[in-house]
Amino acid sequence: DTGVSQNPRHKITKRGQNVTFRCDPISEHNRLYWYRQTLGQGPEFLTYFQNEAQLEKSRLLSDRFSAERPKGSFSTLEIQRTEQGDSAMYLCASSLAGLGGYGYTFGSGTRLTVV
Amino acid sequence: AQSVAQPEDQVNVAEGNPLTVKCTYSVSGNPYLFWYVQYPNRGLQFLLKYITGDNLVKGSYGFEAEFNKSQTSFHLKKPSALVSDSALYFCAVYSSASKIIFGSGTRLSIRP
Repeated sequence: DTGVSQNPRHKITKRGQNVTFRCDPISEHNRLYWYRQTLGQGPEFLTYFQNEAQLEKSRLLSDRFSAERPKGSFSTLEIQRTEQGDSAMYLCASSLAGLGGYGYTFGSGTRLTVV
Repeated sequence: AQSVAQPEDQVNVAEGNPLTVKCTYSVSGNPYLFWYVQYPNRGLQFLLKYITGDNLVKGSYGFEAEFNKSQTSFHLKKPSALVSDSALYFCAVYSSASKIIFGSGTRLSIRP
């Protein structure tokens, strides 16, 4: 296992289209997190899962955003009706529950550009 | 609410000189603090953490951080900077709601 994998690395889409990103966490990690990072800013928390349960969603996660982790392994983040303001780097991270204080392992991110 | 602040958007240091990247925190209870580094077009890489114990924490790539409870600070330091240390550095705190909150970042630029 080589770490957290995110696909695609880059996505360019037209405004109004739907996009879906995938994250494959470290296999033994039961927690999975999604963050959004805009240029020159720190990552902002979007949502997280413990196994297949989505335990928290940020107010940043509008109703156009939906995340799933159907079998407690990989996760998908879908954005419907994309807007230019959705352009950002979307980062996925994983960790073991109870060891959150030891930090996360991040993937390389998916850079979304909405034109 | 837990938060961290990085007062400097950019820090410029000559290669070979010591560097400090500043971070202050605001938490209730005992803080779990982190530093992460981000290279261009890459995800974040863990550098070091403070949970409990020694106030001087050693991490990857020769970095260390000093936890100061009275000043609510957790500054990142390195005795001798390398050009390859040039990157974006984020201070972060583990919140009581099972997630990590990041600062706004400091761009470190090391000139040869």
